[in-house]
Amino acid sequence: ETGVTQSPTHLIKTRGQQVTLRCSSQSGHNTVSWYQQALGQGPQFIFQYYREEENGRGNFPPRFSGLQFPNYSSELNVNALELDDSALYLCASRTDTVNTEAFFGQGTRLTVV
Amino acid sequence: AQSVTQLGSHVSVSEGALVLLRCNYSSSVPPYLFWYVQYPNQGLQLLLKYTSAATLVKGINGFEAEFKKSETSFHLTKPSAHMSDAAEYFCAVSEHTGKLIFGQGTTLQVKP
Repeated sequence: ETGVTQSPTHLIKTRGQQVTLRCSSQSGHNTVSWYQQALGQGPQFIFQYYREEENGRGNFPPRFSGLQFPNYSSELNVNALELDDSALYLCASRTDTVNTEAFFGQGTRLTVV
Repeated sequence: AQSVTQLGSHVSVSEGALVLLRCNYSSSVPPYLFWYVQYPNQGLQLLLKYTSAATLVKGINGFEAEFKKSETSFHLTKPSAHMSDAAEYFCAVSEHTGKLIFGQGTTLQVKP
């Protein structure tokens, strides 16, 4: 079975631009979560999608938005990029059984200049 | 609200020595607890998880952790460190929604 894959692996954007990050969930997983990991910090929960609906959101502004597709892959969109958005963005997928383990992708390193 | 505190942002041990990484949690309900490892420029890999079964949990690569409710702790240990264990380690608690709340992380350095 394939694991969680994210694209691109690295990205450089200019302040004010918009960015889309992509995630393919592991086979059989219907729940996808996104996390932001700033340098030297632990990952922070952005939001979670279950069967194409957002069912949980962390303390992030509305310019962070997402989608989940029928095949359970997902996108994270960030508008009006700020310098502080520079971080490693991690996608995790799991089944919808409560508290099963989440499997993480390699992440996308976003640099905003 | 649930939270996780990892005591010690950096831990340095000699190869072959005991590894002890500390994690304390705060939760108003019985917690689900996890330890993840992160190697440079990579995502997170699950080491082990506690889900209210046995209090001593064995994971991959020789790691184990003990859940102590009275101390609200879930410390990670390994009897003998290997050079390949050098990485960032994160303790996390899970809410019922599956949202993971992570600690700040502990960098483990292994000296030859």
